[in-house]
Amino acid sequence: EVLLLESGGGLVQPGGSLRLSCAASGFAFSSHSMTWVRQAPGKGMEWVSIISTSGDSAFYADSVKGRFTISRDNSKNTLFLQANSLRVDDSAVYYCVRGGVVVPGGNDYYFYFMDVWGRGTSVTVSS
Amino acid sequence: DIQMTQSPSTLSASVGDRVTITCRASQSISTWLAWFQHKPGKAPKLLIFDASNLESGVPSRFSGSGSGTEFTLTISNLQPDDFATYFCQQYNFHSLSFGGGTKVEIK
Repeated sequence: EVLLLESGGGLVQPGGSLRLSCAASGFAFSSHSMTWVRQAPGKGMEWVSIISTSGDSAFYADSVKGRFTISRDNSKNTLFLQANSLRVDDSAVYYCVRGGVVVPGGNDYYFYFMDVWGRGTSVTVSS
Repeated sequence: DIQMTQSPSTLSASVGDRVTITCRASQSISTWLAWFQHKPGKAPKLLIFDASNLESGVPSRFSGSGSGTEFTLTISNLQPDDFATYFCQQYNFHSLSFGGGTKVEIK
């Protein structure tokens, strides 16, 4: 069974940091790009960051650029999101999702649909 | 950025009804659109990709159509398990965004 299990969420003060993790199982993790998507209370889904299969290419939404860093450890089938300088409006459920980008080579890329989601981990930024 | 406008935001229906949800893109996205089902506390589930392709294992009462800027998700013969929130996602080349979601409630 394909599974994505997020962890690392919690309550943090504005300006603080969190490291989210996503443990993947049931598929060839290193063969799939991976994405973090978030949903703030009462809002729609928002993609946060996407990473290529090798980890060489990463993409960020403007709202998190310069504050968040996506990475992956293909030897441990794990995806990470380092979230720094957190703001109140970063409060959301963060989902780990399989897919999101195809990188044919060089600087070329195109976004793609995502096919498997985790249940999410909740992040609350509040003083 | 391409904006996705989904309607209605809430829909009340009965078991056995035919339900249609619409996503409109602010510019043409060809058929680069997916639909998902999301229940509270659960992982969202892919239903349709490339506007009309049914994901493996998804019941055939779900169907998708459209191209360009207007897309629809249709659920024929609504079942009790189908009461959930549905949202669309566009993935047009260097652009990626989601619709706001449609909650399908029991009438």
